[in-house]
Amino acid sequence: SAVISQKPSRDICQRGTSLTIQCQVDSQVTMMFWYRQQPGQSLTLIATANQGSEATYESGFVIDKFPISRPNLTFSTLTVSNMSPEDSSIYLCSAFGGRGTDTQYFGPGTRLTVL
Amino acid sequence: DAKTTQPTSMDCAEGRAANLPCNHSTISGNEYVYWYRQIHSQGPQYIIHGLKNNETNEMASLIITEDRKSSTLILPHATLRDTAVYYCIVRVVSNTGKLIFGQGTTLQVKP
Repeated sequence: SAVISQKPSRDICQRGTSLTIQCQVDSQVTMMFWYRQQPGQSLTLIATANQGSEATYESGFVIDKFPISRPNLTFSTLTVSNMSPEDSSIYLCSAFGGRGTDTQYFGPGTRLTVL
Repeated sequence: DAKTTQPTSMDCAEGRAANLPCNHSTISGNEYVYWYRQIHSQGPQYIIHGLKNNETNEMASLIITEDRKSSTLILPHATLRDTAVYYCIVRVVSNTGKLIFGQGTTLQVKP
């Protein structure tokens, strides 16, 4: 299985600021994804991080608010911009297609609190 | 992707088998059934997946009906550490396949 790490594991931020979350996979993977999990809710897919091109966003999510980078096959970042308390959530990175597997794996998540 | 229907919550006695049902009546021929679980405050953990045959691994068994419209995840000997939210997801296996989560079943294993 792919091992996925995220930094930071948690943060408390002031409204109006931005936070960049890093995701590192221990092997090259085909696809990387970013999810959001609001308090008490299920996971919602934000976007697919495409290597070398712009991310593909799901309905309700826009690049200006959640810019994503994926410079290579093992690393991606998600930025939460101009934060408000409604952005307080767990943000999870996920990867698919590593080491010949068709299984998708998840990182431990980044717990964000916006004051 | 096809949608799934799961009970909101279930209880199970420790040491007994936990049987978690899932309905996916609109599943397509090229869609697999995946099961994940999320223990409180952790990232989702892959459990098992299958297409049409029953599958078993060290964690669980997956039973898929012949018409593929429903499935059951079986944890053979539930422990307190199996308390979690269990998600049943159908997904096209391809290079662009993505997991879309529903609300899942909250399984409470009781002593």
